[in-house]
Amino acid sequence: KQEVTQIPAALSVPEGENLVLNCSFTDSAIYNLQWFRQDPGKGLTSLLLIQSSQREQTSGRLNASLDKSSGRSTLYIAASQPGDSATYLCAVILTGGGNKLTFGTGTQLKVEL
Amino acid sequence: KAGVTQTPRYLIKTRGQQVTLSCSPISGHRSVSWYQQTPGQGLQFLFEYFSETQRNKGNFPGRFSGRQFSNSRSEMNVSTLELGDSALYLCASSLEQAGVGTDTQYFGPGTRLTVL
Repeated sequence: KQEVTQIPAALSVPEGENLVLNCSFTDSAIYNLQWFRQDPGKGLTSLLLIQSSQREQTSGRLNASLDKSSGRSTLYIAASQPGDSATYLCAVILTGGGNKLTFGTGTQLKVEL
Repeated sequence: KAGVTQTPRYLIKTRGQQVTLSCSPISGHRSVSWYQQTPGQGLQFLFEYFSETQRNKGNFPGRFSGRQFSNSRSEMNVSTLELGDSALYLCASSLEQAGVGTDTQYFGPGTRLTVL
C-alpha cells in the first residue's frame, strides 16, 4: 500500500527566506507526482506536476524535484512571502492506478512579516 | 475557461438522511474523481469516473455512490448519513489527453457537509 509522508508537519519562517518542503513515498512505481496548496477551508490549487520520467519542474519561485529511486520529492520555495502561507500537499499516482491520487499528510506553512 | 464547480458549497443534514453532491468538470475533461477530506484522515479517494464508467473505487462503504453523465458532470450520493461523514468533499477533473494519469488534476472548491 502506497504511503506518502511529508516533513515537517508545520513550518514557520520569516518573509524572504528560501525553504524546502519534503515528501516521501513508499512505492516507487509512480506515474507522476503533483504538488498542491490549500488555503483554509478551500479547495486545492495545483502547483506543479512532475512525470515519473522527469527530474524537476519549475514555475516562478517554485521548483519541485523528483527522485523515484529513493522515493522522494522536494518543493523549493524561493524568497517566501506572506501570501505563500498555506498547507502544501504532495500526491502521487501509481502506475496502473487510473487517476487516483494518494495524498501526503501535508505541511502547514506560515510566512511571517 | 471556467474551473471545476461544485454545488452546493455548504450542506447541513441530520443522521439517517441522504445527500447528493454535484460536480461540473472543466470543459473537455472526461475524468472526474471524488475525495473526502477530514482533519483526522486527511484526503481520501472515494471514486473516479471516466466516460460514464467507474474506473476506480476507494475503501468506503456502499453508502457512498456516484455516477457520471454523458456531459461528464458527476454526482455523488451518500445514504443513511452518519456523524463521521461530516467532511469537505472535493471533486477533481483532468483532461487525460495523452493517457491515464498524465495530466494535472484540477480541484473544485469543495462541498462542506455537516451531519448533526
